[in-house]
Amino acid sequence: GAGVSQSPSNKVTEKGKDVELRCDPISGHTALYWYRQSLGQGLEFLIYFQGNSAPDKSGLPSDRFSAERTGGSVSTLTIQRTQQEDSAVYLCASSLVGGTANSPLHFGNGTRLTVT
Amino acid sequence: AQTVTQSQPEMSVQEAETVTLSCTYDTSESNYYLFWYKQPPSRQMILVIRQEAYKQQNATENRFSVNFQKAAKSFSLKISDSQLGDTAMYFCASLANAGGTSYGKLTFGQGTILTVHP
Repeated sequence: GAGVSQSPSNKVTEKGKDVELRCDPISGHTALYWYRQSLGQGLEFLIYFQGNSAPDKSGLPSDRFSAERTGGSVSTLTIQRTQQEDSAVYLCASSLVGGTANSPLHFGNGTRLTVT
Repeated sequence: AQTVTQSQPEMSVQEAETVTLSCTYDTSESNYYLFWYKQPPSRQMILVIRQEAYKQQNATENRFSVNFQKAAKSFSLKISDSQLGDTAMYFCASLANAGGTSYGKLTFGQGTILTVHP
């Protein structure tokens, strides 16, 4: 079946503009995660959704970042008033259930965001 | 809090040879999981192998195996019979099983770029 789909693949925006990044998880996966990968760095956790529970937003770096997940499926990560330090690859992942012991994360190909 | 450290920014190996990537971690949890992910140029993170901390036996997946040294908090990845398609960035990651629950809030190392030469 289809994997995790992210759009756009690449996004270039001007400093100060808002951007929306989209993630379509694998059908039936109840858990969805957003990670950020800055140049040459490992992945940094941003936010986690599990079913209808309140999301874990503990990784969001500032209040300019927000995310929602509609209908327990598609998720949108929004960055307001983008700054150059927001430039990174934003990776989305989903898993069948929240625990990864027996339900590994499946990642999308990410969105490369460049803020000029 | 958890930390994961990969001290080798880059490694290279000849095709068909064996290479070992290093990873050390620190966690206060007694139960946790460790993973190795591969990220080719396509950017997609692909799970290579995983290890439950309570299992003493080292995990193996075909040409990939780990050397899990719990006391030393070391989790190295060995790739045997290296292939050109193994060229990628490799990330070590940990996941704490806190309070009996666990979810995908992985902690990643900085990554090691592996190049397999023909």
